[in-house]
Amino acid sequence: SSELTQDPAVSVALGQTVRITCQGDSLRSYYASWYQQKPGQAPELVIYGKNNRPSGIPDRFSGSSSGNTASLTITGAQAEDEADYYCNSRDSGGNHYVFGTGTKVTVL
Amino acid sequence: EVQLLESGGGLVQPGGSLRLSCAASRFTFRSYAMSWVRQAPGKGLEWVSSISGSGGYTHYADSVQGRFTISRDNSKNTLYLQMDSLRAEDTAVYYCAKDFSYSESSTYYSTIDYWGQGTLVTVSS
Repeated sequence: SSELTQDPAVSVALGQTVRITCQGDSLRSYYASWYQQKPGQAPELVIYGKNNRPSGIPDRFSGSSSGNTASLTITGAQAEDEADYYCNSRDSGGNHYVFGTGTKVTVL
Repeated sequence: EVQLLESGGGLVQPGGSLRLSCAASRFTFRSYAMSWVRQAPGKGLEWVSSISGSGGYTHYADSVQGRFTISRDNSKNTLYLQMDSLRAEDTAVYYCAKDFSYSESSTYYSTIDYWGQGTLVTVSS
């Protein structure tokens, strides 16, 4: 299968920790990347590989993976972290990208 | 910082054609694969197509295979997407995106690191 499945929505209290998961067979062979997208804006890369953050991404964002599941954790969520989050990886064939279904994170 | 500026979007009738462009700057364009990703209104992200740095390798999503053509002009630092036989379901914001490669445990992987702001394509009569 080339699908990546995410929970549609999660909520987190301000300052608390939230974990977003992404499931798919291709994650057994390829790392996931994670993107944050705020309304009306382009996606922004927040995590890639085993657990790498691009320059400028706060260290409250972290990534992990096990088997067919990748996770993005926000430790100490801030109001500005409210956004849609998408995982992304290669498909099983390796030539195509596939995106997750997306998770809307609400910070209460 | 990397800049990607899309243009060419607009309203087109079903069955029509449109060509999108993406002007790239502030990085060595020819050294990087590039991709197009789209997002239908209120929906998630969908990968459309990718092209290698030289332009010699191209890949397409099944949904656009045979109708869309990705290309690049490295002398002009520009990426293109020729869209033919457009359908209502092709209506979306189209993003130009830069690929990059990284290493984990001596194995190389690739992902998308930068995105343009997108251009809206509306297919409607």
